[in-house]
Amino acid sequence: ILNVEQSPQSLHVQEGDSTNFTCSFPSSNFYALHWYRWETAKSPEALFVMTLNGDEKKKGRISATLNTKEGYSYLYIKGSQPEDSATYLCAPHDDNDMRFGAGTRLTVKP
Amino acid sequence: NAGVTQTPKFQVLKTGQSMTLQCAQDMNHEYMSWYRQDPGMGLRLIHYSVGAGITDQGEVPNGYNVSRSTTEDFPLRLLSAAPSQTSVYFCASSYVGTAAGPNTGELFFGEGSRLTVL
Repeated sequence: ILNVEQSPQSLHVQEGDSTNFTCSFPSSNFYALHWYRWETAKSPEALFVMTLNGDEKKKGRISATLNTKEGYSYLYIKGSQPEDSATYLCAPHDDNDMRFGAGTRLTVKP
Repeated sequence: NAGVTQTPKFQVLKTGQSMTLQCAQDMNHEYMSWYRQDPGMGLRLIHYSVGAGITDQGEVPNGYNVSRSTTEDFPLRLLSAAPSQTSVYFCASSYVGTAAGPNTGELFFGEGSRLTVL
């Protein structure tokens, strides 16, 4: 059973700030890691699916890195905008199980 | 393109009543799943399916039944609703499925169904 931790639970930043959050998971039997963006009153939407140690993925101002040996992934947002306000979920899975973390709730103030 | 469609969006039940949450996808995805989302907790997997005729339990399956008679549809049944099943339910589907376990394809989610059990 996967134990997934995301930190911080919530984050308030000013428009233009860069920020990052962490997803930690057991490193054994790693298969893949998903990042999702979840806006209030909407459905989660996939940002990245990462499978290889050392993977780096980028979509616009958002990027993610993956370290499967030590069991963590970082999500970075460069120059945060109010429209980045959302909850960011990670979901690692091994060969048996996929678990979502509780998420990091980001609020970007104009 | 409709994507993943869930119905109903809202439902209020009394304890002991039964109901079915419907989920349909038009993307020809092999993998479909149901999650529940409760305050302070991540999405928790209830049941999933890697293809028509194949279903399996997730993390919190008790009190729920599923079936997968077609690729498109994956209904979730509550046979005797309990207050502990008050939650927001999400259906999700994905391109990639494996017989051995969960998939690696990105999940496409429905809009959610808010269920209250009194």
